[in-house]
Amino acid sequence: EAGVTQFPSHSVIEKGQTVTLRCDPISGHDNLYWYRRVMGKEIKFLLHFVKESKQDESGMPNNRFLAERTGGTYSTLKVQPAELEDSGVYFCASSQLGTGGIYEQYFGPGTRLTVT
Amino acid sequence: AQSVSQHNHHVILSEAASLELGCNYSYGGTVNLFWYVQYPGQHLQLLLKYFSGDPLVKGIKGFEAEFIKSKFSFNLRKPSVQWSDTAEYFCAVNARGTYKYIFGTGTRLKVLA
Repeated sequence: EAGVTQFPSHSVIEKGQTVTLRCDPISGHDNLYWYRRVMGKEIKFLLHFVKESKQDESGMPNNRFLAERTGGTYSTLKVQPAELEDSGVYFCASSQLGTGGIYEQYFGPGTRLTVT
Repeated sequence: AQSVSQHNHHVILSEAASLELGCNYSYGGTVNLFWYVQYPGQHLQLLLKYFSGDPLVKGIKGFEAEFIKSKFSFNLRKPSVQWSDTAEYFCAVNARGTYKYIFGTGTRLKVLA
């Protein structure tokens, strides 16, 4: 069974540019999550999809971040325009649909974003 | 607000030494608890989890953790570490009935051969 995959693995962009990160969850996982780790700090929740619907986007830093999950399969996270403080590792995770988070989340390898 | 504290940021041990990594959380309700590990160049992997039942949980690769509700703690232990345990370890909590995980800052473990 393929795990969660993310693309690209690394991205280096200049301040003001746009970047789109992609996540492919484990097949059959309706829950999809985005997290971010800024260097040296904790991994922080950004948002949660159930199928194509955003269930919780309380962790999204600001309106420069836009996440989509069209068709309830893969998801994209766009940062536009990117700022220096957006640098970090962006993790995607997925889990089965179940009652109240009872299923563990499986994480992808992350995308390391560097904004210069 | 929920938070997770991992007190040891960097730990260096010799092979065969015993390991205990601390994890404390702040949340008054029922929680699910997790330890994840990230080996160099690899993705986060689940070591073990606690949802309910026996508070002593056994995970993969000889790791175990004990949930002590009165202390809001979920410390990770291993009686004898190996060089291959060199990795970063993350404690995570989620409030029962919710989905998002709250992570600690991670502990980097280096095991000397």
